[in-house]
Amino acid sequence: NAGVTQTPKFRVLKTGQSMTLLCAQDMNHEYMYWYRQDPGMGLRLIHYSVGEGTTAKGEVPDGYNVSRLKKQNFLLGLESAAPSQTSVYFCASSKEGRYFEQFFGPGTRLTVL
Amino acid sequence: AQTVTQSQPEMSVQEAETVTLSCTYDTSESDYYLFWYKQPPSRQMILVIRQEAYKQQNATENRFSVNFQKAAKSFSLKISDSQLGDAAMYFCAYRSRFRTALIFGKGTTLSVSS
Repeated sequence: NAGVTQTPKFRVLKTGQSMTLLCAQDMNHEYMYWYRQDPGMGLRLIHYSVGEGTTAKGEVPDGYNVSRLKKQNFLLGLESAAPSQTSVYFCASSKEGRYFEQFFGPGTRLTVL
Repeated sequence: AQTVTQSQPEMSVQEAETVTLSCTYDTSESDYYLFWYKQPPSRQMILVIRQEAYKQQNATENRFSVNFQKAAKSFSLKISDSQLGDAAMYFCAYRSRFRTALIFGKGTTLSVSS
């Protein structure tokens, strides 16, 4: 099993450009999440999904959109990138239920110039 | 709103010694879960240990153990017989029984010297 994979691993954007980050998991997990990690801030939840076709806002959703058209994929979109969105983005997935651990992808380092 | 505080931005330990990382949290709930994640330089987040709030017994995973003090809302991680491979950033995280999101602390960077 590959676990949780993220594409791409690195990306540089100019202000105003758009892009989509792809997350895929092969563990048949119901729940999927997008986090951002900034220096000194820990990880903060952007959006999450509790099943195919459902999404919900997390702690810092502004400027991002998500879609979960297939159970195994969770897409994070930036419609008009801003320098404040420079960060490392992590996708995670977990089984249904609060007890179960979240499995994380390797992260995507995004720089917005 | 729940918050997680890690008051030690950096810690250091010598190989084979023991180190304790601190974590406190604020919540009005009685049923929740607590986690410690490790993030080595590779950036990969790895679960180290988890604790269920309704269990009084402290969780243990090999060289890693926790001191869970529910009344004090404290959840410290003890690493025994430290190894060079333990060098990483460690995050404490809280998860409510009623909510999906993990709430992370800001992390503690642990360095291990030989």
